[in-house]
Amino acid sequence: NAGVTQTPKFRVLKTGQSMTLLCAQDMNHEYMYWYRQDPGMGLRLIHYSVGEGTTAKGEVPDGYNVSRLKKQNFLLGLESAAPSQTSVYFCATSPGQGANEQFFGPGTRLTVL
Amino acid sequence: RKEVEQDPGPFNVPEGATVAFNCTYSNSASQSFFWYRQDCRKEPKLLMSVYSSGNEDGRFTAQLNRASQYISLLIRDSKLSDSATYLCVVRRMDSSYKLIFGSGTRLLVRP
Repeated sequence: NAGVTQTPKFRVLKTGQSMTLLCAQDMNHEYMYWYRQDPGMGLRLIHYSVGEGTTAKGEVPDGYNVSRLKKQNFLLGLESAAPSQTSVYFCATSPGQGANEQFFGPGTRLTVL
Repeated sequence: RKEVEQDPGPFNVPEGATVAFNCTYSNSASQSFFWYRQDCRKEPKLLMSVYSSGNEDGRFTAQLNRASQYISLLIRDSKLSDSATYLCVVRRMDSSYKLIFGSGTRLLVRP
């Protein structure tokens, strides 16, 4: 079992470029999350999904879009990257409502020049 | 003010030392509490949940003080492998889906 995987691991973009980050899980978890982690800020929730076909905004959703067309995949899109989006992005999953633990992917390091 | 506050450290301690971290939370609707561990350039992983009566897992002891709204983590007999960042995490009663993460306390255990 791979658990939670993220693609790509690293990426450098120029301002204005677009890209999609892919999160895939083989744990059959209902809930999936996208976070960004910046120095001194902790993990901040961007968007999340409580099931296939559903998405919702988190704490810092501006500049990002998401889709959950299949239960196992959660995509995070940047339509027009900005230097402020330079960060480490983590995907996480959890089994369902009330679950205590979230399981994280290895992260994607994104630099926007 | 951040909803979950932690001293960023670093706490620099010798092997074998006992070290304690505190964390405060501002939302009284917080229901569940956790400590996650994050190694350098790695993903966070659940270390332990924190129960009202306090709980222990080997060398690790977690305590919760609801009246003062703080959580603590005590590590006894520190090992080199304990070097990591420890994230304090809460879940609010009004949102069972979401966790609120502190920015972490960094621990360095030296030989």
